[in-house]
Amino acid sequence: GENVEQHPSTLSVQEGDSAVIKCTYSDSASNYFPWYKQELGKGPQLIIDIRSNVGEKKDQRIAVTLNKTAKHFSLHITETQPEDSAVYFCAASGGYKLSFGAGTTVTVRA
Amino acid sequence: DAGVIQSPRHEVTEMGQEVTLRCKPISGHNSLFWYRQTMMRGLELLIYFNNNVPIDDSGMPEDRFSAKMPNASFSTLKIQPSEPRDSAVYFCASSPDRSRQPQHFGDGTRLSIL
Repeated sequence: GENVEQHPSTLSVQEGDSAVIKCTYSDSASNYFPWYKQELGKGPQLIIDIRSNVGEKKDQRIAVTLNKTAKHFSLHITETQPEDSAVYFCAASGGYKLSFGAGTTVTVRA
Repeated sequence: DAGVIQSPRHEVTEMGQEVTLRCKPISGHNSLFWYRQTMMRGLELLIYFNNNVPIDDSGMPEDRFSAKMPNASFSTLKIQPSEPRDSAVYFCASSPDRSRQPQHFGDGTRLSIL
């Protein structure tokens, strides 16, 4: 089955700086890569996703890049704000099943 | 728009009791997923329904767990009898179709088995 590894497990950044989270996956058949943000006491919320026919996608301060050859994908958050503090999960899928990374706890310091 | 609705939000019960978790997916979504989240194992898929039919239940841990989807707007996950190791947050998610579509999660049920 698919195996997704996510790094780092924790990330502390100064407000206004950028945050980068990286994931690797094992199954070359995976073709859908969503990112979720989970706040305390809430369910994971989809923030951005990318499909294998696209190398990069941007939505305001959030961008995701995909390198299918290397089986890497990354989340970039620019101009971080305190409300960006949360746990972020990457995931990979070749069908209906999402395989999740272990999560990154992001703390934005004011 | 209403998102995925789960109930109860919290459940505390004693070992051996039956527990029933409920989920109302987003209207129009054909696929429904039950997940379990723990610190040790992260997010695990328990069961996947498409058009109310269970397609993949390979993640259901034991026969103590069962799930039903009697109609397109309602699903239940039942644990009978419950054990302390079942303590976790259980999430329901729905999506428009089978693959390459975003899954939208509810806010979960935090289950504690004493």
